[in-house]
Amino acid sequence: AQSVAQPEDQVNVAEGNPLTVKCTYSVSGNPYLFWYVQYPNRGLQFLLKYITGDNLVKGSYGFEAEFNKSQTSFHLKKPSALVSDSALYFCAVRDRGGNTPLVFGKGTRLSVIA
Amino acid sequence: DAGVIQSPRHEVTEMGQEVTLRCKPISGHNSLFWYRQTMMRGLELLIYFNNNVPIDDSGMPEDRFSAKMPNASFSTLKIQPSEPRDSAVYFCASSYGEIQPQHFGDGTRLSIL
Repeated sequence: AQSVAQPEDQVNVAEGNPLTVKCTYSVSGNPYLFWYVQYPNRGLQFLLKYITGDNLVKGSYGFEAEFNKSQTSFHLKKPSALVSDSALYFCAVRDRGGNTPLVFGKGTRLSVIA
Repeated sequence: DAGVIQSPRHEVTEMGQEVTLRCKPISGHNSLFWYRQTMMRGLELLIYFNNNVPIDDSGMPEDRFSAKMPNASFSTLKIQPSEPRDSAVYFCASSYGEIQPQHFGDGTRLSIL
């Protein structure tokens, strides 16, 4: 069975500092991995995905994520946080071989403090 | 692209009433998903369709919940009768193919009094 763990409910970071939101996953084979962001009163918005190839994936709004197969991790990163990055972030996984639903983590609330 | 469109955005109704939530997926997408989000339980998958056919409804909490997809451009989620514990934000999402992300609507905030 597929699963995603986001070990931190809340991450606080000062504006201008680098941020990391952690994600680990468990799948039977090779995964497709996704990050989403949710702003208040909005739906989940796609940020980036890892399908194959380069382990460092770049996405929207300056975010990037690194796929680490040995550690089964896919941490979200940004070199310099903005107050406007404050939101709820979800990691998701899908096993290869079918158009099945994404399995989401519980979410991590990021607060960027000015 | 118009994105996934959900209606209504907000619904307030009394316990026992029938509630119908609507979703228009992105044109060309062949998979549709209904989710529920609450503070306590987070994001839960209720049901999903591939090519208008329900594939897995194991997340539907009770028989009071039902979902249909009569065609590729429309789906409904119905609750009858509604109960206060059904209060949540309900999201619809659509996608095409296994390597593409799911695209979410902005949800329906449902309050059952």
